[in-house]
Amino acid sequence: ETGVTQSPTHLIKTRGQQVTLRCSSQSGHNTVSWYQQALGQGPQFIFQYYREEENGRGNFPPRFSGLQFPNYSSELNVNALELDDSALYLCASSSTSGKRETQYFGPGTRLLVL
Amino acid sequence: AQTVTQSQPEMSVQEAETVTLSCTYDTSESDYYLFWYKQPPSRQMILVIRQEAYKQQNATENRFSVNFQKAAKSFSLKISDSQLGDAAMYFCAYTTGTASKLTFGTGTRLQVTL
Repeated sequence: ETGVTQSPTHLIKTRGQQVTLRCSSQSGHNTVSWYQQALGQGPQFIFQYYREEENGRGNFPPRFSGLQFPNYSSELNVNALELDDSALYLCASSSTSGKRETQYFGPGTRLLVL
Repeated sequence: AQTVTQSQPEMSVQEAETVTLSCTYDTSESDYYLFWYKQPPSRQMILVIRQEAYKQQNATENRFSVNFQKAAKSFSLKISDSQLGDAAMYFCAYTTGTASKLTFGTGTRLQVTL
């Protein structure tokens, strides 16, 4: 069984640029959630995708957008990068949506915006 | 706002001893799920233990157990026979509502000394 994978592991961008982060869900999982973890903080929920549809969104502006593909892998896109977007971005997958489902996390992508 | 509070930014325990990490939360819902996740320096968030709010019995996973006090909205984690590999950031979190959105605390850094 393959766990959750994310790419790239590290990324450096400049303010105003756009970035795409990728996540492959664990085998058999159809739900992917994205979280932003600033240094020294707990992760903050960005949004969730369930069967290719957005299924809940946190308090993040529209320049944070996502996609889920038929194989349930997912992308997080951030436009017009700001310095405060520097963080660890975590992807988590679960077998389905719903509060009882345990989420399994990937290793994260560290984004630095200069 | 729904929140999770971890009042101990750092804790230290000697190898083989027992340590308890505190967590309180605030939600108006009656049906929710509670989690403790561990984040070692490798950054990958690993599930330690979960608790269903409707169950009165405290969850146990090997050396890890919880003290769940629903009326007090308290969910502490006890680690017995601490090992060097237990050193990490520990996050308390819960899910409510229809989407499995995790709300995290700010974490407790656990050091394990010889």
